[in-house]
Amino acid sequence: NAGVTQTPKFRVLKTGQSMTLLCAQDMNHEYMYWYRQDPGMGLRLIHYSVGEGTTAKGEVPDGYNVSRLKKQNFLLGLESAAPSQTSVYFCASSYSGAGEQYFGPGTRLTVT
Amino acid sequence: DQQVKQNSPSLSVQEGRISILNCDYTNSMFDYFLWYKKYPAEGPTFLISISSIKDKNEDGRFTVFLNKSAKHLSLHIVPSQPGDSAVYFCAASAVQGAQKLVFGQGTRLTINP
Repeated sequence: NAGVTQTPKFRVLKTGQSMTLLCAQDMNHEYMYWYRQDPGMGLRLIHYSVGEGTTAKGEVPDGYNVSRLKKQNFLLGLESAAPSQTSVYFCASSYSGAGEQYFGPGTRLTVT
Repeated sequence: DQQVKQNSPSLSVQEGRISILNCDYTNSMFDYFLWYKKYPAEGPTFLISISSIKDKNEDGRFTVFLNKSAKHLSLHIVPSQPGDSAVYFCAASAVQGAQKLVFGQGTRLTINP
């Protein structure tokens, strides 16, 4: 079991460029989440999904879009990157809404 | 508005002693609390949790205490070991549907030999 994997691990973007972060889990979990971590702020929920084909907004959704076309994958898109989106992005999954979340290793994104 | 606060950015403890990490919350709807541990360049890993119907939960060297009236929880690690050096996040949720966790800022724990 690989658990939760994230691609890529690092990325540098110029302002206005777009990119997609991929999260994959092999635990057959229904729920998946995207967080961002900024210094002194802890982790903040961007978007989440309660099952294949569903998505919902979290605490800080502006500037991001997500898709869950397959149960095992959760994609986070940045259509027009801004320096304020420089952060470390974590994906997580859980079997149910009341269970512990399992996190991926993170993607460090820098927008210049 | 920070709903979950960890007011100590760092904590240094001698090996073998007790480590106590604190967390305060403001939202009275929170009824499930978790602690996560994070090493550099890795994702957070789940450590221990507690439901609001309990005031204590223990798992080996780790114990979490919940004081609902004070809206305060703490994580006790005893005895502290060098491998416990990490950043610890507390998180809270109102268990309804998807578990939308609200995290504190984290406390960096350093265990000194």
